[in-house]
Amino acid sequence: DTGVSQDPRHKITKRGQNVTFRCDPISEHNRLYWYRQTLGQGPEFLTYFQNEAQLEKSRLLSDRFSAERPKGSFSTLEIQRTEQGDSAMYLCASSLDSGIWTEAFFGQGTRLTVV
Amino acid sequence: AQTVTQSQPEMSVQEAETVTLSCTYDTSESDYYLFWYKQPPSRQMILVIRQEAYKQQNATENRFSVNFQKAAKSFSLKISDSQLGDAAMYFCGLVGGGADGLTFGKGTHLIIQP
Repeated sequence: DTGVSQDPRHKITKRGQNVTFRCDPISEHNRLYWYRQTLGQGPEFLTYFQNEAQLEKSRLLSDRFSAERPKGSFSTLEIQRTEQGDSAMYLCASSLDSGIWTEAFFGQGTRLTVV
Repeated sequence: AQTVTQSQPEMSVQEAETVTLSCTYDTSESDYYLFWYKQPPSRQMILVIRQEAYKQQNATENRFSVNFQKAAKSFSLKISDSQLGDAAMYFCGLVGGGADGLTFGKGTHLIIQP
């Protein structure tokens, strides 16, 4: 296992199209997070999963966004009817929940450009 | 709500010198963790150092150390003997004891002058 992987690394899409990103966490990690990072900003929390359960969603996650983690393994983030404001780096991170916070390992991200 | 503020958008330091990056935060949690992540250009974020809020002793990791002032809600990062490989964006952050989403600051771009 070489860490958290995200696919694709880059995505260019036309406004109004749907896009889906995939994240494969470190295999034994039960927590998985999605973040969005725009230019000049720090990552902003979107949502996280504990195994297959989605436990928290930020108000940044509009109705056009949906995330899943079937079987508690990989996760997908879908954006429907993309808008130019969705252009950003989408980061995935995973960690092992042991009752206290442990290090979150990040993937390299998927850079989305909406034209 | 939790907030993290990094007031230095960019810092520059000569190689081998020491630099301090500032961070202040606000949280209503009594149990929380503070951390610094490094994001090199086009690479993933890497944890540099972390501090449990209940610990008074400042965390250290080799050339990296923090100055944690709980009452002032301040958490600065000191990098000693700066190296070219330290050049990156540095993000200060906070997570509550319930280990929900991490809250990050806007980052400080660290430039190392050879």
